[in-house]
Amino acid sequence: GAGVSQSPSNKVTEKGKDVELRCDPISGHTALYWYRQSLGQGLEFLIYFQGNSAPDKSGLPSDRFSAERTGGSVSTLTIQRTQQEDSAVYLCASSADRGYVEAFFGQGTRLTVV
Amino acid sequence: QKEVEQNSGPLSVPEGAIASLNCTYSDRGSQSFFWYRQYSGKSPELIMFIYSNGDKEDGRFTAQLNKASQYVSLLIRDSQPSDSATYLCAVRGGSSYKLIFGSGTRLLVRP
Repeated sequence: GAGVSQSPSNKVTEKGKDVELRCDPISGHTALYWYRQSLGQGLEFLIYFQGNSAPDKSGLPSDRFSAERTGGSVSTLTIQRTQQEDSAVYLCASSADRGYVEAFFGQGTRLTVV
Repeated sequence: QKEVEQNSGPLSVPEGAIASLNCTYSDRGSQSFFWYRQYSGKSPELIMFIYSNGDKEDGRFTAQLNKASQYVSLLIRDSQPSDSATYLCAVRGGSSYKLIFGSGTRLLVRP
């Protein structure tokens, strides 16, 4: 695609429900990142996929969070048993390869847990 | 100690002035450095990247990198009200190729 696509753009869920957020990276990009941004805050690193390597999950805040990337392309971030503190904008980014290349961001999914 | 640190601001400058934004990082092996701009409610967009010591200029923007001191800065010349945004410093490399962001500096350019 022309850019990084995320869906849904907005999601309101009840506390305790599971949610899935989707990211479709730029075609051919081997690196994919998930970040979380709470209101007025910076980008909190969650997870990083690079090609067929094992993902770097060091930023996942709890075992309620998981992510997968199928076929080296589309990624899904799953949050189980959502809590109010999970409310944030979840941003996905992709880049062509490691090293000296920029990451391009999607428009984000705004998650609200009520 | 955070991996990437920025002053949260706000940094307020008058229109036409030079805005100076600073960032320090902890991983001495970091290899590439990025400045992103983020308008309220929008996603970050790349302003500049730098990976060699010294200055890199692009229009009104100059990125400066000093690996020995582990800091990177962004200068915005002839600041415009449209430059008012949050500027995020990002660092990649060293022990991992993941891209780590600072918390951002909010810039306000007064007309």
